[in-house]
Amino acid sequence: GNSVTQMEGPVTLSEEAFLTINCTYTATGYPSLFWYVQYPGEGLQLLLKATKADDKGSNKGFEATYRKETTSFHLEKGSVQVSDSAVYFCALGGYGNNRLAFGKGNQVVVIP
Amino acid sequence: ETGVTQTPRHLVMGMTNKKSLKCEQHLGHNAMYWYKQSAKKPLELMFVYNFKEQTENNSVPSRFSPECPNSSHLFLHLHTLQPEDSALYLCASSPGRTGEANEQFFGPGTRLTVL
Repeated sequence: GNSVTQMEGPVTLSEEAFLTINCTYTATGYPSLFWYVQYPGEGLQLLLKATKADDKGSNKGFEATYRKETTSFHLEKGSVQVSDSAVYFCALGGYGNNRLAFGKGNQVVVIP
Repeated sequence: ETGVTQTPRHLVMGMTNKKSLKCEQHLGHNAMYWYKQSAKKPLELMFVYNFKEQTENNSVPSRFSPECPNSSHLFLHLHTLQPEDSALYLCASSPGRTGEANEQFFGPGTRLTVL
């Protein structure tokens, strides 16, 4: 079945550092891929998405490229801010159904 | 109101109480979802409704009872809960289009504490 794997553990980094959060997936067919962000005390918000191989999703300085050859959708940001502190979830949606498979999420803490 | 709203935002209840969580979406979507988010655990999908019909129940205990009277409203009725049911309950909606994968839009959640 469809599944998503995110790197283990929280990520702590300094302001203006480069952020990478790894996400790999297993899926049949041609899934769509998403990154969601959850700020403290809030629900999940869609950050970016990509619907086919080689697509790049981008928003608020974050980017992720749909790599079919490595089954990956890593999230990157060149210079993080304290306000980027949140939990980030990678998700996969299969063609023809309404379900999303979520990764476990990564807590990102940005220190001033 | 825009997007997906949930009420109440916080709820404290005893194990013998009966309460309900409400979700409303203002996006014209046809699919709605309940998720449970517990500390240190992955997001758990509980129920899926598509065009008011329940299409998925992921072995959720019967003390949780969903209701979807129309495509805009979703309720989760709670009774005789256990302390381990304390969690953030998230509602989401999606267009419900057939074919392509649908992104989901989430509400802010209800923080439930069972004493």
